[in-house]
Amino acid sequence: AQSVTQLDSQVPVFEEAPVELRCNYSSSVSVYLFWYVQYPNQGLQLLLKYLSGSTLVKGINGFEAEFNKSQTSFHLRKPSVHISDTAEYFCAVSPKAAGNKLTFGGGTRVLVKP
Amino acid sequence: EAGVAQSPRYKIIEKRQSVAFWCNPISGHATLYWYQQILGQGPKLLIQFQNNGVVDDSQLPKDRFSAERLKGVDSTLKIQPAKLEDSAVYLCASSFLDPLIQYFGAGTRLSVL
Repeated sequence: AQSVTQLDSQVPVFEEAPVELRCNYSSSVSVYLFWYVQYPNQGLQLLLKYLSGSTLVKGINGFEAEFNKSQTSFHLRKPSVHISDTAEYFCAVSPKAAGNKLTFGGGTRVLVKP
Repeated sequence: EAGVAQSPRYKIIEKRQSVAFWCNPISGHATLYWYQQILGQGPKLLIQFQNNGVVDDSQLPKDRFSAERLKGVDSTLKIQPAKLEDSAVYLCASSFLDPLIQYFGAGTRLSVL
């Protein structure tokens, strides 16, 4: 079984400041890793995914994430946030043997302040 | 390309009543998922369909929840009877050739009073 822990439930940040959202996972098998974003009153949208290869993954809207196998982490970063980045962000994993069986973390709510 | 459509957007019922949610996936997407997202938690998979067959319903509370996708296109999720703890957002998602990319609808927010 897999589990995902997002260490921060809420992250307030000022506009144009950097942000990092932390994600740690636990799994007995190899996994794919994902970050999804959920804007208010909308469904989840894929930001980026890590399958293999380079541990630094770039996604949409200027986000990137780094996979650290030894620390079982997949932290999400953006160097400069905009008001429009206000949303909830979910980290998720899926076993490589069953790539579409997502296990989500509890989410991190990002509030960008002007 | 139209996205995943869900209705209704909001539903308020009393406990022990029945409720149904509808989902129409993106055209051509063979795989359809229903998730339950309780407030403050991440989505949890309830059931996965491949065309009109069930692939995984291991986390579906089958004593009260049921789902169908009779013609392999749209799907209905039903709760009968509802309990207070069923209050949540019910998300539908679909995927096409790449199972690693799921497209989500906006969800149905259910409040059970």
